[in-house]
Amino acid sequence: TQTVSQSDAHVTVFEGDSVELRCNYSYGGSIYLSWYIQHHGHGLQFLLKYYSGNPVVQGVNGFEAEFSKSDSSFHLRKASVHWSDSAVYFCAVSSMSNYNVLYFGSGTKLTVEP
Amino acid sequence: DTTVKQNPRYKLARVGKPVNLICSQTMNHDTMYWYQKKPNQAPKLLLFYYDKILNREADTFEKFQSSRPNNSFCSLYIGSAGLEYSAMYLCASSRGRDGDEQYFGPGTRLTVL
Repeated sequence: TQTVSQSDAHVTVFEGDSVELRCNYSYGGSIYLSWYIQHHGHGLQFLLKYYSGNPVVQGVNGFEAEFSKSDSSFHLRKASVHWSDSAVYFCAVSSMSNYNVLYFGSGTKLTVEP
Repeated sequence: DTTVKQNPRYKLARVGKPVNLICSQTMNHDTMYWYQKKPNQAPKLLLFYYDKILNREADTFEKFQSSRPNNSFCSLYIGSAGLEYSAMYLCASSRGRDGDEQYFGPGTRLTVL
């Protein structure tokens, strides 16, 4: 059984700050890890994913995430946030050969204050 | 067009009454998914279609039905709504291949009274 844990329900930062949103997972097989963003009133949108290779993956709008097998983590980072980054961020796991079904964390609401 | 559409956006239903939610996509995706999202909880997979084959999660097997009359459309059907069905219902589609991103609709907010 896959589990995805996002320990911070809410994170508040100021515009221009860096931010890290944490994600830990539990799964023993081959998996894909991904992040999705949901702006208020809109559907979830894909940000980035990791399967293998370089543990740091780049996404859209300056986001990146780093995979750590030893920590079972896939944290999302941005060096300098903008007010438009305010949204809910979901970490997700999908396993090989399972029709790309996603198992999500409960989300982290990021608020960027001016 | 990478849009996934959902209708209606808001649905009010009475306890015991049926509910039918609609989703459509024009990306010719093999796979369409339905997730349930409650406040402060993770989106939870209810079921998905790979082509014409329906797969339902074990713990929601008897609570939700679905149909996919063609590649573009997929419905979610609740035969008798209960208060516990109040939630946001998210439809998504993808090519269904390992690691492919899913494209999500804006969701239907169902309130059962």
